[in-house]
Amino acid sequence: DAGVIQSPRHEVTEMGQEVTLRCKPISGHDYLFWYRQTMMRGLELLIYFNNNVPIDDSGMPEDRFSAKMPNASFSTLKIQPSEPRDSAVYFCASSLNPAWEQYFGPGTRLTVT
Amino acid sequence: QQQVKQSPQSLIVQKGGISIINCAYENTAFDYFPWYQQFPGKGPALLIAIRPDVSEKKEGRFTISFNKSAKQFSLHIMDSQPGDSATYFCAASMIGGFKTIFGAGTRLFVKA
Repeated sequence: DAGVIQSPRHEVTEMGQEVTLRCKPISGHDYLFWYRQTMMRGLELLIYFNNNVPIDDSGMPEDRFSAKMPNASFSTLKIQPSEPRDSAVYFCASSLNPAWEQYFGPGTRLTVT
Repeated sequence: QQQVKQSPQSLIVQKGGISIINCAYENTAFDYFPWYQQFPGKGPALLIAIRPDVSEKKEGRFTISFNKSAKQFSLHIMDSQPGDSATYFCAASMIGGFKTIFGAGTRLFVKA
């Protein structure tokens, strides 16, 4: 298996633009997580899904953030409109069980100017 | 209750030395304690994990020590190497629960 795949790897956009980050989890993993990593706040859980259904989105910072998982092999995290403070590395992770090992993707480094 | 407190924030160790990173938790329902290793430009990856029914787990140069009564656990890296330079995250979760709670991370630099 290729592991968790994220795209794009780098995204530079201007404030106010819409940004869409994409994730393909490991096949057979029922849980998918979106994290944000910054120097100031560390690794933050934004939202996670079980069998394509959002379970907990309490970490989503604002209504500008939304996430979907239309099928078991694809998820998106959208920011609209983007702001400079959204600049961070966004990770997607998947697992067979949320309490056990999570497999992280390589991340998307987002820069909002 | 849900926090995992990790220290130190950063650590510099000489090659061949012992690196020690400590974590503490409050929720006694946690029953799985993994450590993740993250290299620059990469996502975190599971390094080693322990369950509270044992006090120590060793894998190569990496050892987790677990003190259930103190609600603390630590990662020891023996004979630290420059290739160990990375950010290390401790974490905690509950079997049957839905979240893994991560510590703030420790940036380790091993000097050659």
